[in-house]
Amino acid sequence: GESVGLHLPTLSVQEGDNSIINCAYSNSASDYFIWYKQESGKGPQFIIDIRSNMDKRQGQRVTVLLNKTVKHLSLQIAATQPGDSAVYFCAVPEKAGGTSYGKLTFGQGTILTVHP
Amino acid sequence: DSGVTQTPKHLITATGQRVTLRCSPRSGDLSVYWYQQSLDQGLQFLIQYYNGEERAKGNILERFSAQQFPDLHSELNLSSLELGDSALYFCASSVGFSQGEKLFFGSGTQLSVL
Repeated sequence: GESVGLHLPTLSVQEGDNSIINCAYSNSASDYFIWYKQESGKGPQFIIDIRSNMDKRQGQRVTVLLNKTVKHLSLQIAATQPGDSAVYFCAVPEKAGGTSYGKLTFGQGTILTVHP
Repeated sequence: DSGVTQTPKHLITATGQRVTLRCSPRSGDLSVYWYQQSLDQGLQFLIQYYNGEERAKGNILERFSAQQFPDLHSELNLSSLELGDSALYFCASSVGFSQGEKLFFGSGTQLSVL
């Protein structure tokens, strides 16, 4: 089955710094990747996604980079703010039950702490 | 606010008991998913329903069952509870189940089995 892992379990940064959170995946056939943010007491919240036909996608203050050669993706957060403090997960949808892509395999998560 | 409502927020019970977790999906969403989050296993997919029918199954124990009702709300039933079932249980919903569908998660039910 799919295995998705993170290199660093915790990351502490100063407010205003850029943050980079990494994720490795094992299935070379994976073609769609998602980053979620989970704040304390809340469920995971969609941040950004990327398809395998792209190597970079930008959102508001966030950028996801995909390196299919080494099966690695990263989430970059620009000008990190205290409100960005959360656990960040990468996730890969898998086919389950035939055609359903609702089964997400999540990485372990990285705890991001932003110090003012 | 994701639009997904889960009740109760907290549940404390004893081993051997049975509990029911409830989820109301976002308005218009037909797919409902259940996930379990624990410190040792992380976020694990349990089961998915689409428009009342089971669509996909993950590592869900036989002691656990779920259903989706005609009004699209879903319930996760956990029986013969064990200490190891203590976890955060999330419900998520989406319009369908195609690749690229965004899942919206509720705030979860924290289950503590004593």
